Amino acid sequence: DQQVKQNSPSLSVQEGRISILNCDYTNSMFDYFLWYKKYPAEGPTFLISISSIKDKNEDGRFTVFLNKSAKHLSLHIVPSQPGDSAVYFCAASARGTYKYIFGTGTRLKVLA
Amino acid sequence: ETGVTQTPRHLVMGMTNKKSLKCEQHLGHNAMYWYKQSAKKPLELMFVYNFKEQTENNSVPSRFSPECPNSSHLFLHLHTLQPEDSALYLCASSQGAGLGMDTGELFFGEGSRLTVL
Repeated sequence: DQQVKQNSPSLSVQEGRISILNCDYTNSMFDYFLWYKKYPAEGPTFLISISSIKDKNEDGRFTVFLNKSAKHLSLHIVPSQPGDSAVYFCAASARGTYKYIFGTGTRLKVLA
Repeated sequence: ETGVTQTPRHLVMGMTNKKSLKCEQHLGHNAMYWYKQSAKKPLELMFVYNFKEQTENNSVPSRFSPECPNSSHLFLHLHTLQPEDSALYLCASSQGAGLGMDTGELFFGEGSRLTVL
């Protein structure tokens, strides 16, 4: 049973527009959420995180929104740039457990 | 020097071979992890070490044997693997803390691509 789901395997967006990547989770014990970006032949790199005490966290062009009642989070990238083209993973964890559960990823392609 | 370094980057081995993957972190972290990434599957947590003690073994077959001699080094010893074990093996580290505390985000290495023939 997949506890963290990214239902869109791919997404194409025009340069300069907004990219919205979605993630759903099932385990109500999760209280810490992260987004990672992965280029081919590289390890995932951390982008942004959010704790369950917040519903929004912003860092430059990246904003993560958390809807606890819907068990849903999303990553907004605006404006999107061609260099943002990568696979994006969301991950969830229950505080202090060390078990970070990842989704299957969404491949984002930003078109110039 | 990158924060988390994995060697080798690529490894091809037969089913009867014994090999090891190595991970080293230069971030002063106390928790280290092995993840497996297979095609079209989510990253699967394999093992977690916190302050050199194994805190998680996610039902991994015994043909995978981890070793954590200190907080900076983590090994994955491989023995009599199967072709379905072919995958990208990712090492990660995090700050690490006691139960109930924030462990911080994971910092990943570039991975070791393993092919079992």
